[in-house]
Amino acid sequence: AQKITQTQPGMFVQEKEAVTLDCTYDTSDQSYGLFWYKQPSSGEMIFLIYQGSYDEQNATEGRYSLNFQKARKSANLVISASQLGDSAMYFCAMRKNTGNQFYFGTGTSLTVIP
Amino acid sequence: KAGVTQTPRYLIKTRGQQVTLSCSPISGHRSVSWYQQTPGQGLQFLFEYFSETQRNKGNFPGRFSGRQFSNSRSEMNVSTLELGDSALYLCASSGLAGGPETQYFGPGTRLLVL
Repeated sequence: AQKITQTQPGMFVQEKEAVTLDCTYDTSDQSYGLFWYKQPSSGEMIFLIYQGSYDEQNATEGRYSLNFQKARKSANLVISASQLGDSAMYFCAMRKNTGNQFYFGTGTSLTVIP
Repeated sequence: KAGVTQTPRYLIKTRGQQVTLSCSPISGHRSVSWYQQTPGQGLQFLFEYFSETQRNKGNFPGRFSGRQFSNSRSEMNVSTLELGDSALYLCASSGLAGGPETQYFGPGTRLLVL
């Protein structure tokens, strides 16, 4: 069974600083995808970034980057230059490449302090 | 492109009633997945539909059912509502079968069972 672990229930970061949100996963599959989503208080899940298990380079999307360490089975999200609007829940998810089911972690609540 | 839409956004029901939630995927997307999100259980996968067929199913009782229409719109039905069904129900759509397709989420339907 696939399992996604986010060990930080809550994080605080000063505005304009960088922050790393941790995510580890457990799978016996060789081919899979890793995703990060942001969920503001409104409830909608917003896609941030994707990393394929065979991608050799870490994914980047604007201020978001994914620190992918395949041997350690970790896929940490790095947010650079935090903004007040980054305050939200952040979920790490994994998708097996056989089928379309996503497995989500329990989330990390990020608060950006002015 | 318009995003995933869900209706209604908010719903209040009483125990024993049934409810139907609707999801319209992004145009061209053929896969629709449903998730239940509660504070205690987090994000849990309900089921996925692709081309009008249920392709994956999570571990929920038979009171939870769904269907998909030829235009890829999907409905989810919960019969004999229980207090524990109070949750945010999220729908997500993705494109082609197979491959590391990203799921894009709708704003969710908040269901309160009294």
